[in-house]
Amino acid sequence: DSGVTQTPKHLITATGQRVTLRCSPRSGDLSVYWYQQSLDQGLQFLIQYYNGEERAKGNILERFSAQQFPDLHSELNLSSLELGDSALYFCASSSGPNTEAFFGQGTRLTVV
Amino acid sequence: GNSVTQMEGPVTLSEEAFLTINCTYTATGYPSLFWYVQYPGEGLQLLLKATKADDKGSNKGFEATYRKETTSFHLEKGSVQVSDSAVYFCALSDQGSTLGRLYFGRGTQLTVWP
Repeated sequence: DSGVTQTPKHLITATGQRVTLRCSPRSGDLSVYWYQQSLDQGLQFLIQYYNGEERAKGNILERFSAQQFPDLHSELNLSSLELGDSALYFCASSSGPNTEAFFGQGTRLTVV
Repeated sequence: GNSVTQMEGPVTLSEEAFLTINCTYTATGYPSLFWYVQYPGEGLQLLLKATKADDKGSNKGFEATYRKETTSFHLEKGSVQVSDSAVYFCALSDQGSTLGRLYFGRGTQLTVWP
């Protein structure tokens, strides 16, 4: 158990819909990262938050957004979903840069 | 920019065989290097890491040496077991930045047969 909790584990939704993925980092970790894992793109970094503030953006679509709350949990919002958004979405947390990142078990999103 | 290239899979081995998974990197600074493992249906787990040149990371019989001259971090294990079947990801974190994000290779699927 990495200590990072992601909910839900599985999500099936229709095209055009909006979903929210939730991540609770390890106790004490201030950094939260979101990654998307798909067969064609591999593991892609989406966005990072540190203590409530956005720190880095990767290949995140404009239809996607995220935030980190005062209790340090984070949510990834995906809207106007397309079939191609079907993927495994991972959250990771770390206590700081260049320290080990701990990954959650992921949320498998299927868009039908 | 930063990037990681690792050997394409899948890799299929018999139990007790020797394993090498090649990984090379491109980085603008002085990266930390990692190997993560993903077992079926699970998230990524850190297998080992090295934070500076010539460091050797090791764990569970796996090892990898940070080679700055060849920009490589190849994963090796002397005798694989069926339980090692998983996907292995090489990754780097730019040590010079304060961001901490990881750059991943595409992953190598390893299957070990009894």
